[in-house]
Amino acid sequence: NAGVTQTPKFRILKIGQSMTLQCAQDMNHNYMYWYRQDPGMGLKLIYYSVGAGITDKGEVPNGYNVSRSTTEDFPLRLELAAPSQTSVYFCASSYSGGSFEQYFGPGTRLTVT
Amino acid sequence: GQQLNQSPQSMFIQEGEDVSMNCTSSSIFNTWLWYKQDPGEGPVLLIALYKAGELTSNGRLTAQFGITRKDSFLNISASIPSDVGIYFCAGMNYGGSQGNLIFGKGTKLSVKP
Repeated sequence: NAGVTQTPKFRILKIGQSMTLQCAQDMNHNYMYWYRQDPGMGLKLIYYSVGAGITDKGEVPNGYNVSRSTTEDFPLRLELAAPSQTSVYFCASSYSGGSFEQYFGPGTRLTVT
Repeated sequence: GQQLNQSPQSMFIQEGEDVSMNCTSSSIFNTWLWYKQDPGEGPVLLIALYKAGELTSNGRLTAQFGITRKDSFLNISASIPSDVGIYFCAGMNYGGSQGNLIFGKGTKLSVKP
């Protein structure tokens, strides 16, 4: 199993540009999450999904959108990039059967200038 | 919102020494997770704790779920250079949804050979 994969690994965006961060998992997990990690801070939840077609906001959803059309994929969309969105983004997944253990991808480092 | 206080923020230790770090919360959690993050990588799950008072080991790592359900600690025995990284605690309250995993800000561990 590849686990949780994320692309791209690095990206530089200009203010106002849009992009989609890709996330896929091959563990047949129902639950998927997007976090951002700023320097010296823990992870903050942006959005999560409990299954295909179901998404919900986390702690810091402003400026982002998500969709979940399949169990495997959970893309994160930035519509109008702002410098405040410069961060490292992590996707994670977990099995829905009562386990809260989340498994993380390698991250996408995004810089908005 | 809920906050986790993780201490110490950083540690510089000699190879072979034991390490102890802890996490405290202002509110009760039903699950505590400990993760390690290597530079440029996503967090990797080390230990999961589900019951107050539970003591769980994973090799040289031992973690405990505090009796009050408001704290947890992680010990590393006989540290080695590959223990270097950032250790995060994360807590969850069953009253929340699967998305409500709260992370501490991390303890950065440096090991001198």
